[in-house]
Amino acid sequence: GDSVTQMEGPVTLSEEAFLTINCTYTATGYPSLFWYVQYPGEGLQLLLKATKADDKGSNKGFEATYRKETTSFHLEKGSVQVSDSAVYFCALSPNYGGSQGNLIFGKGTKLSVKP
Amino acid sequence: DAGVIQSPRHEVTEMGQEVTLRCKPISGHNSLFWYRQTMMRGLELLIYFNNNVPIDDSGMPEDRFSAKMPNASFSTLKIQPSEPRDSAVYFCASSLVGNQPQHFGDGTRLSIL
Repeated sequence: GDSVTQMEGPVTLSEEAFLTINCTYTATGYPSLFWYVQYPGEGLQLLLKATKADDKGSNKGFEATYRKETTSFHLEKGSVQVSDSAVYFCALSPNYGGSQGNLIFGKGTKLSVKP
Repeated sequence: DAGVIQSPRHEVTEMGQEVTLRCKPISGHNSLFWYRQTMMRGLELLIYFNNNVPIDDSGMPEDRFSAKMPNASFSTLKIQPSEPRDSAVYFCASSLVGNQPQHFGDGTRLSIL
């Protein structure tokens, strides 16, 4: 079945460091891909999305490119801040076009940014 | 605009008791999702509704779990009888059907003693 695998955390970085969180997926057809962020004590929030191959999603300095050839959707940010400390989830929607009838999540990667 | 509202935020109860979790989706959203989050299993989809109709309940762990959506503005997730292994954070999310993001509530932290 469809699945998402993301790098295990925790990831600890110093402020202004470069961030990469790897995400790969297995899916039939052409899924849409998402990154969600969860701050402590809160629910998940959509960070960015990409609905077709080679699309780049971006938001708040974060970006990820939908790579069909490598079935990947790695999250990157050039310079992290302490306020970026959170848990990041990669997810896919099995339905082409982004219909979110069913999101499949990775296990999450906890990021801690030190001042 | 009010987001997805879940209640209660925390619930502590004894094994065997009935537990009811509540969710009010964002007004106008026609899809509603219930998730469970644990350290061991991560985030799991339990069930989702489109236009108040259950579409996929394959994630509901067993018959002790049931979910209803009597109208477009309210849903419940019930566990009866509850067991310690049901302890988790339960999230409700809503969205418009189609290429729209899911909006999550802040969750209910459930502890079964």
